[in-house]
Amino acid sequence: SQQGEEDPQALSIQEGENATMNCSYKTSINNLQWYRQNSGRGLVHLILIRSNEREKHSGRLRVTLDTSKKSSSLLITASRAADTASYFCATDAEAAGNKLTFGGGTRVLVKP
Amino acid sequence: EPEVTQTPSHQVTQMGQEVILRCVPISNHLYFYWYRQILGQKVEFLVSFYNNEISEKSEIFDDQFSVERPDGSNFTLKIRSTKLEDSAMYFCASSTGTVYYGYTFGSGTRLTVV
Repeated sequence: SQQGEEDPQALSIQEGENATMNCSYKTSINNLQWYRQNSGRGLVHLILIRSNEREKHSGRLRVTLDTSKKSSSLLITASRAADTASYFCATDAEAAGNKLTFGGGTRVLVKP
Repeated sequence: EPEVTQTPSHQVTQMGQEVILRCVPISNHLYFYWYRQILGQKVEFLVSFYNNEISEKSEIFDDQFSVERPDGSNFTLKIRSTKLEDSAMYFCASSTGTVYYGYTFGSGTRLTVV
């Protein structure tokens, strides 16, 4: 089954605006993580939220997790041009061992 | 901040050739991984490695692939008899072993098979 599907697939906003992207998954998870990838570059770990947590903050990032809906959201507040990147959610699950299952990502373009 | 280092950053190889992708994980990490990302597609798990052996592998990781930790620092992915469809970005990652702290990914090796 597909695990970790983000929407929207692409998002274009003005600098200073907030960016919100969502991730849905199908099976029970231990943790959900968000990663950023600049074009053609590596994956940068942003934030991890455990299945028993509902909300987490890190700087301008806010992540929520709703296990009843099997969904998570990532909010970037007061976006900057440097936030332009692709954002991926990734889940790990007891049944899936110690590996991450990534979603397809949301491409975010922040226009100056 | 500690980094996972991957070399080379870009490799072009002829179809049918063997390639070795190299990674230096973070020194106190215990788990090592290879993931790949075909252009425009999702990041996919290939293999995890712990205590000098494969702990888990995906369906993608068939006999064409092998991993090795030849010394205390390097972690390599060997792809034998490369095919066009092996063209992808290959990411190495390492972790302390508890997923709670996340993984540290390298910046990847872009493999182009021609």
